[in-house]
Parts: sequence; C-alpha cells; structure tokens
Amino acid sequence: DADVTQTPRNRITKTGKRIMLECSQTKGHDRMYWYRQDPGLGLRLIYYSFDVKDINKGEISDGYSVSRQAQAKFSLSLESAIPNQTALYFCATSDWWNNQPQHFGDGTRLSIL
Amino acid sequence: QQQVKQSPQSLIVQKGGISIINCAYENTAFDYFPWYQQFPGKGPALLIAIRPDVSEKKEGRFTISFNKSAKQFSLHIMDSQPGDSATYFCAASMRRYGGATNKLIFGTGTLLAVQP
Repeated sequence: DADVTQTPRNRITKTGKRIMLECSQTKGHDRMYWYRQDPGLGLRLIYYSFDVKDINKGEISDGYSVSRQAQAKFSLSLESAIPNQTALYFCATSDWWNNQPQHFGDGTRLSIL
Repeated sequence: QQQVKQSPQSLIVQKGGISIINCAYENTAFDYFPWYQQFPGKGPALLIAIRPDVSEKKEGRFTISFNKSAKQFSLHIMDSQPGDSATYFCAASMRRYGGATNKLIFGTGTLLAVQP
C-alpha cells in the first residue's frame, strides 16, 4: 500500500462546483503539503500544515482551502472550481524536523470544464 | 529573484551515456538544492540533495555538481539506463530545517528519455 494516498486519482467536473481532494498518509509524519503541477511551470505550493492545529498559505492559495482533520489526513477544497484550476495536484509529507516535502502521493488529475 | 531556471526542457540520451541537467538560481540565500525524479502517473520522489558547503555529492550513478559562485547546480546521471527515463525537477530553498517552511522553488522540469 502507498504511504501517501490521494483520492480521487482523476476527476472531471464543471465550473462552479465544489471539489474536495483528499490525502491520507501512513508514514506518521507531522507535516503535510498540497502542491499543484502545471506543464512548463513545475510544482507550486498551495497550502502546508505542520501539525493538526497549524495551517499556512503557500504560493498560490487563492481559490483553495484546506482542512487537517487528523495527523494523517489533509484535504484540499476548491470552493467554486474554475477552468484555470485544471491541473495535477499532489499531496506530500515530511518528518517533523524537515520543512521540505519528502514523500509525495501519486496525484489527482483534475479537469474543470 | 525567486526563480530556478532549468534546462534543457527535454533530453534524449543513449543507454550507457551521461545525462546532464542544469539549473541556475538567483537568490544567494538558498541553501538547500534537491532533485526530484517523477515517473509518469507517479508523484515526484526525492532523488538527491546538496547543501552549498560542498561542491559535489554522489549517490550511486547520480551526482549533483554545485557551483556557488556561478549560482548553478547540475544533475549528472552516469551510465544512463532506460529505467532512468522520467521527468527530473531541480529545486531550491532556504533553511531546510526549522519551524517555518521555506518555500521550495521548483524548476520547470526536464523530460529525459534514455534510448536502449
């Protein structure tokens, strides 16, 4: 089983819909991250969380929100999806002493029509 | 000043050859330079990383060369194999360890194809 599991793996939806992407991890890491990958742009940080009570905005947080339900679960929401949020989304984790992502999930491919 | 410029965008290498991917940065405060490897349908995986106090770090067939004065670092894959075919991302950040995350700035990626 994967250490970092993202669901769903693929999602197609319409503009204006609310979307939730979920991430769960079995690595026991405190720190979790959400990234977005676009062709030609690399990966960009959306939100990160260093523990259940700690949520921080990243580089491109506008239009997104997150919830850290437990140490092992970190979800990303698009309140009202728009087409330019079509991208590949990755969740990642790291140890408590490491403030950079170490382990990534396999991604969610999100298409907004 | 926050950019990390990566080249080439794509690279084709014959099996057994050396693959070289280059990155350049502007922010002299960066002190952590990792490389990630990403296979199709998978998330990036941390491959190797270097701090600026050394000029080279080697792990198996993978070597990072770091030139602090030129603000450049590169990934060398020796004896490249078809299984190395993937997208490679360089990245840079400040203060890897500590309470506050320092944004990891990614390069735009290099698609490597190793031909048998």
